[in-house]
Amino acid sequence: DQQVKQNSPSLSVQEGRISILNCDYTNSMFDYFLWYKKYPAEGPTFLISISSIKDKNEDGRFTVFLNKSAKHLSLHIVPSQPGDSAVYFCAASVEGDNDMRFGAGTRLTVKP
Amino acid sequence: NAGVMQNPRHLVRRRGQEARLRCSPMKGHSHVYWYRQLPEEGLKFMVYLQKENIIDESGMPKERFSAEFPKEGPSILRIQQVVRGDSAAYFCASSPTGLGNQPQHFGDGTRLSIL
Repeated sequence: DQQVKQNSPSLSVQEGRISILNCDYTNSMFDYFLWYKKYPAEGPTFLISISSIKDKNEDGRFTVFLNKSAKHLSLHIVPSQPGDSAVYFCAASVEGDNDMRFGAGTRLTVKP
Repeated sequence: NAGVMQNPRHLVRRRGQEARLRCSPMKGHSHVYWYRQLPEEGLKFMVYLQKENIIDESGMPKERFSAEFPKEGPSILRIQQVVRGDSAAYFCASSPTGLGNQPQHFGDGTRLSIL
């Protein structure tokens, strides 16, 4: 049961441009959403999160948008840098629940 | 290093052997989660433990897999009689509470290869 979906396995953007990574979910009970970044041979690193009471959260170059009616969230990276090249995982959970659901990931490549 | 520590980083086993994966959570964290990542897939939840207790093992295969988090020492994920399909990256994460509204902090994983 794929409750969190990242439909784009890969994305390539030019340095300095905006990167937009998308994520869809099916479980309307999810109320906490996160983005993790993963480099090869390393564990996922927490990037940014948003709770369902908000529709936007910003941290430096990273902004997460949540559209609850569409069950969709996105991560915007502006401006993109070559060091941002990694696999990005979207995750969702229900407060009080132990089971955090992850998407399959999107591999972002930022070209110099 | 105050992060989540997993060892070994790489583990090679032959079919039928046992694999033991260790995880030391971040300092101050008493909640541990194990995930498995198959090639080209996302992370799949396996089990959630607090000290000396298994809280949720709904993602754990019913046979051959077990986990513990003793009062002293690291959390252990144990796979008995390994098969080729167990080849994967196994990640451990920890958090200070078990609430679902906090990020989990991950180790660098153990890559298990079954010959």
